[in-house]
This record gives sequence, C-alpha cells and structure tokens, in this order.
Amino acid sequence: AQRVTQPEKLLSVFKGAPVELKCNYSYSGSPELFWYVQYSRQRLQLLLRHISRESIKGFTADLNKGETSFHLKKPFAQEEDSAMYYCALSKGRETSGSRLTFGEGTQLTVNP
Amino acid sequence: GAGVSQSPSNKVTEKGKDVELRCDPISGHTALYWYRQRLGQGLEFLIYFQGNSAPDKSGLPSDRFSAERTGESVSTLTIQRTQQEDSAVYLCASSPSGASYNEQFFGPGTRLTVL
Repeated sequence: AQRVTQPEKLLSVFKGAPVELKCNYSYSGSPELFWYVQYSRQRLQLLLRHISRESIKGFTADLNKGETSFHLKKPFAQEEDSAMYYCALSKGRETSGSRLTFGEGTQLTVNP
Repeated sequence: GAGVSQSPSNKVTEKGKDVELRCDPISGHTALYWYRQRLGQGLEFLIYFQGNSAPDKSGLPSDRFSAERTGESVSTLTIQRTQQEDSAVYLCASSPSGASYNEQFFGPGTRLTVL
C-alpha cells in the first residue's frame, strides 16, 4: 500500500529565509506527486504537481525516485506563505480514478 | 464559476443518529471523491465516483458508511448509527475526469461532531 510521510508537523522560519518542507513516499509503481496548500480560512487547493515541472508562487518540488522524496522548496519565504501544506500521492497512469493518499501535513509559519 | 459546495458546513449529532452530508461538484466534473480528516491527521480517502458508479469504495471504514451520486452531480454521504469516532471534517472533491494527474478541487468541508 502507498504511504506519504511528512516528518515535520510544524516548521517556523523568518521572512526571507529559505524553506524546505519534506515529503517521503512509499509506492512500488510510478506515482504522481502533488503539494496541496490550505491557507487560513480557505479550502484546500493545489499548489503544484510534479508532472508539470512548474514553479508556483516561487515554490518548486523535484521528484527524487531514488530517495522516494518530493520535498517542497522556496529560496525566500514570505509571510503570506504561512499555511498548512500537504504532500499527496496518486497511483499514476496505470490506474484510473486515482484517489489521493495524503501526508499528515506541515504547518508552516513565516515570521516577520 | 462556482466551486465545489458542501452542506451543512457544521453538523452536531447524538451518538446513534443517522446523518447525511451533501456535495455539489463543479459542473461537468465526472470524478467525485470523499475524504475524511480527523483532528490533527491527514486526509483519508473514503470513496470515488466516476459518473454515477463507485468503482473504488475501499476507504469506507464500515458498513455504517454509504454514499451515492445521482445524475453525475450531487453526491450524498450517509453515516448510520453515528459513533464518536466518526467526528471529523468530511471533504468532497471533484475532478474533470478520473485521470491520476488531474487536479482535485475541494469543497469547504462539513465538520461533523458526534456527542
């Protein structure tokens, strides 16, 4: 069975500092990996997915199949980045109707 | 356009009562998912609909849980004989199709409290 681990429940950094939110996964196939974000009093929304290889709001994430990781990074954190971040996995293109398996989330606080 | 909506936003019930939670997906989205989030935990999958059928209901925790979807739109999640461990936020998400790379669009959730 697939599993997603986010080792840090809480992460606090200062504005302008680099930030890295860790995500490790276990799955025997070729997964699709996502980062979802939930800002205060807002609904859960997609931040980025590995298949798009894009940078959103300055965040990037690289899928490392050797280390089974999909860490989220931003070189200079901003106060508006404070939110709950969830790493999620779906089983990839060999299946359809792919439910997401979520990590427990990391609450990021960016201090002024 | 309108996003995914859920009702009620909050539901408090007594142990042993039945509850019904509603989800209105984004129009035209054929895939619909239900998740549950207990306090301090990540989201756990409950059931997936493609159209009106449910090819994956493996996440339903017991036979007290059931769900249906009608007309490729509205879905209802029913919990019978509620227990205190059913207390959680129930989230619905929809997606244009069941493809694994599709973004899932989430509703605001229903917070269920079982006393």
